[in-house]
Amino acid sequence: DTGVSQDPRHKITKRGQNVTFRCDPISEHNRLYWYRQTLGQGPEFLTYFQNEAQLEKSRLLSDRFSAERPKGSFSTLEIQRTEQGDSAMYLCASSLSGNRDQYFGPGTRLTVT
Amino acid sequence: AQTVTQSQPEMSVQEAETVTLSCTYDTSESNYYLFWYKQPPSRQMILVIRQEAYKQQNATENRFSVNFQKAAKSFSLKISDSQLGDTAMYFCAFGSSNTGKLIFGQGTTLQVKP
Repeated sequence: DTGVSQDPRHKITKRGQNVTFRCDPISEHNRLYWYRQTLGQGPEFLTYFQNEAQLEKSRLLSDRFSAERPKGSFSTLEIQRTEQGDSAMYLCASSLSGNRDQYFGPGTRLTVT
Repeated sequence: AQTVTQSQPEMSVQEAETVTLSCTYDTSESNYYLFWYKQPPSRQMILVIRQEAYKQQNATENRFSVNFQKAAKSFSLKISDSQLGDTAMYFCAFGSSNTGKLIFGQGTTLQVKP
C-alpha cells in the first residue's frame, strides 16, 4: 500500500494556460474525490468518481474544469484557460465504497501568475 | 445543505496537557459520519478519528477522543497528553453516508508548546 499519490506536487503557470493534474489512488479503492484548498481554509469538494463514473460535481467546478477517471484507476483534473483565482492546493482522496474513511494525497499546489 | 463550523481559529496548549477543539455542524440527514483530520505544516491531511452518527458511544483512538452530542449537533475533539508532533491544523468534517463526500470546517490551528 503506497498511499495516494499526486503529480506534479507544484505547478506554476501563466494565466490563460491549460494545466492537468494526476491522482493515483490506493489500488483497491473504487472511490476517488477531488477537493480544492485555499490558504488557511478547509478543503472544498469538487467532484467524485465511483470506479470510472463521475457521480457528482460541485457548482465550484466551472466549465473550465474537467475530470476523468478512465478504467476506474488514476484520475486527471484539467483546468483550461487558468485564472489567478484558480491558485490553490488541489487534493485527491480515495476510499472504498462502504468505508467512509478517505485517504488524502499530498496535493498539487497550483500558482497562476 | 450541510455546514460545518469551527469557531476557534487558533489554540495553544502546553506539552503533556489536554486540549479540546470545538466543532458544530448542521444537517437534515439522519445517517452520516463525522471526522477529525490533521494537517501538519506543509504536509498531507491525515485522518485522526471517525464517528458514525448512529453510534451513541464516543469514538476513541489512543490519545484522541470525541464528545459527540447528536441533538446539539456538536462534535468536539479532545487531545490528551499533547505532544509537539500534534502541532497542526485540525479540520472537522461532515461525511455524507450516500456519497461519502466531505464538508470541512474552516480549521483550528493548534500549537503545542514545550
